[in-house]
Amino acid sequence: EPEVTQTPSHQVTQMGQEVILRCVPISNHLYFYWYRQILGQKVEFLVSFYNNEISEKSEIFDDQFSVERPDGSNFTLKIRSTKLEDSAMYFCACSTRTGANVLTFGAGSRLTVL
Amino acid sequence: GQQLNQSPQSMFIQEGEDVSMNCTSSSIFNTWLWYKQDPGEGPVLLIALYKAGELTSNGRLTAQFGITRKDSFLNISASIPSDVGIYFCAGQATTDSWGKLQFGAGTQVVVTP
Repeated sequence: EPEVTQTPSHQVTQMGQEVILRCVPISNHLYFYWYRQILGQKVEFLVSFYNNEISEKSEIFDDQFSVERPDGSNFTLKIRSTKLEDSAMYFCACSTRTGANVLTFGAGSRLTVL
Repeated sequence: GQQLNQSPQSMFIQEGEDVSMNCTSSSIFNTWLWYKQDPGEGPVLLIALYKAGELTSNGRLTAQFGITRKDSFLNISASIPSDVGIYFCAGQATTDSWGKLQFGAGTQVVVTP
C-alpha cells in the first residue's frame, strides 16, 4: 500500500537552530500538508500546498516556517530558528485531486528543541 | 473560533464489548473522517463520510455523518485487543479549504482480555 515517508523520525536540536523535516508523499497525490501535534494535544493544521504554492496556512505558520517541493518528489518543512514551543510531532500528509479531504499521513517526525 | 469536541476522552473496556464515541462541532462540516493513531505513528484513516445521514461500515467499525452536519459517531463492535489506540475524529468545515482538517482531542481505547 502506498505510504508517506518522513525523515528524520526524531530530531533533537538547540533553540535557535534551523531544522528541515522531509517528506516523500504518495506519487500521484497532488495536495500536500503539514500538521503538528504537541504532546498530549490535538493534531493541528499548519499549511497546505498545491501546484507549487501555499494554498492556506494557519496562524502557527509564521515567518519562521517555510515549505518547499524542491525536486518534484520531496516536500520539506523548514523552521528557521527553532523555539522551545516548536517541540512537537510533525506530520506530513497528502491527498489526491478527487479525494482532497481524505488525507494520508506519514508516521511523523518528532522534533525536540532544547 | 471553531470547536470540535470529542468524547469520551478514554474508555476501558473488556474484549468483546462494543465501543461508541462521538464528535460535535460548532460549525457545519462537509466531511467527517475517523482516524486511529498507534503510539509513535501517524493517524491512519478508518472511515470517511461525505454526506449528511451517511452510515458507513469498515469491518467491525461503523460511523455516521449526523444529519445536522455538526456531529458524527464511531462504533466498534465486539472489540479485540488490537483495537487499542487513540481514535480521532476530524472534519473539514464548509468555511475551510481542501484538506484543512480540524481534529478532535481523541478517545483513548484500552481493551482488556
